[in-house]
Amino acid sequence: GAVVSQHPSRVICKSGTSVKIECRSLDFQATTMFWYRQFPKKSLMLMATSNEGSKATYEQGVEKDKFLINHASLTLSTLTVTSAHPEDSSFYICSAKPPGGYEKLFFGSGTQLSVL
Amino acid sequence: AQKITQTQPGMFVQEKEAVTLDCTYDTSDQSYGLFWYKQPSSGEMIFLIYQGSYDEQNATEGRYSLNFQKARKSANLVISASQLGDSAMYFCAMREGLPGGYQKVTFGIGTKLQVIP
Repeated sequence: GAVVSQHPSRVICKSGTSVKIECRSLDFQATTMFWYRQFPKKSLMLMATSNEGSKATYEQGVEKDKFLINHASLTLSTLTVTSAHPEDSSFYICSAKPPGGYEKLFFGSGTQLSVL
Repeated sequence: AQKITQTQPGMFVQEKEAVTLDCTYDTSDQSYGLFWYKQPSSGEMIFLIYQGSYDEQNATEGRYSLNFQKARKSANLVISASQLGDSAMYFCAMREGLPGGYQKVTFGIGTKLQVIP
């Protein structure tokens, strides 16, 4: 089946640094990718919808300058958490939509970000 | 407003029994889709089943079936013959359209299912 690779799986960083998370669709072209944030034992909160070649559509309350999303190719989307702070610590997970319908979304394995 | 509502924070089921996980949704779109995903403690999201709003038949995938009642805006997941490995969080999700032709997928708060031997 289709595979979405997300890296890194875990990152620990100091407050004030920036962290980049990559999401790659390995065997299909993903015109649309979604970025979610999940707090412990909570649901996935949609942060933004990333469309290849255009600006991401951010959900209300998500800071665009804080969470930079780039979808430069049909197989790669990146989320950069800029000037990370402890409150940004969370599980971030991406998903990718293959061409065609929405019968399946494929998810990456997630990134656990811990900001000290 | 809550788009996806899962009212069961936790459920228990005896091994080999069937269990129904509830999901109701709210949308004004005519074309939308409903998903169920399983998230074990490892954190990965595992696709289980999908139902399109125009699909006349209820979706089935192996032991999973989706009881789609459009007028009631419900999309309950039925797991037959529960197995110990089914213990996990289960999320209901909905795809709907945005202005400009974009789509987005939002999730409910989840139901934690525990299968008892």
